[in-house]
Amino acid sequence: EVQLVESGGGLVQPGGSLRLSCATSAFNFSSYWMSWVRQAPGKGLEWVANIKQDGNEKFYSDSVKGRFTISRDNAKNSLYLQMNSLRAEDTALYYCARDAPSYYSDSGYGFDSWGQGTLVTVSS
Amino acid sequence: SYELTQPPSVSVSPGQTASITCSGDTLDNKYVCWYQQKPGQSPVLVVYRDTKRPSGIPERFSGSNSGNTATLTISGTQAMDEADYSCQAWDRSTVVFGGGTKLTV
Repeated sequence: EVQLVESGGGLVQPGGSLRLSCATSAFNFSSYWMSWVRQAPGKGLEWVANIKQDGNEKFYSDSVKGRFTISRDNAKNSLYLQMNSLRAEDTALYYCARDAPSYYSDSGYGFDSWGQGTLVTVSS
Repeated sequence: SYELTQPPSVSVSPGQTASITCSGDTLDNKYVCWYQQKPGQSPVLVVYRDTKRPSGIPERFSGSNSGNTATLTISGTQAMDEADYSCQAWDRSTVVFGGGTKLTV
């Protein structure tokens, strides 16, 4: 069974940093694009960033560009999100999601597996 | 930036057909996916590539995409289908979600 397990969330002050991790198992991690998606309390889903299979292409939402960095370690089957200059509006449950198994991320496959999420709270 | 618009809420009687719309500029030029999310749970993909169902998703879930509107249709809606539903598409290598629709059965 495909598993994605996020960790690293917590309470951080505005302007602070946090690094999220996503450990995966039971699928060929290096064959998939991977994404981070977040959900603020009581709100809808918001895509944050994705990364190509080899790590050489990365895309970000405008709301996090320049502050967040997505990365992956295919040897460890793990995905990461380095979050800097955190703001109150970054408070959310952050999900790791399996993305496309194809060359292009916009090939229509969607996010077919999700973790349970890790909560990030930005507050003084 | 590209936007997807969904109605905040839709109500349906058990056994009837529910239709949830997702609107965006020339949306039929893009692939659309749909997600179901129940309270306290992670989202579940119910439709991908406009019309395709992942394995394990009941046949009562179907999708379409024409013009500026994609539609998720749930035939013979059951009480267990009560959930939030979100559409999703791609815009120039970035991902866009609709605001979500709360389906009440």
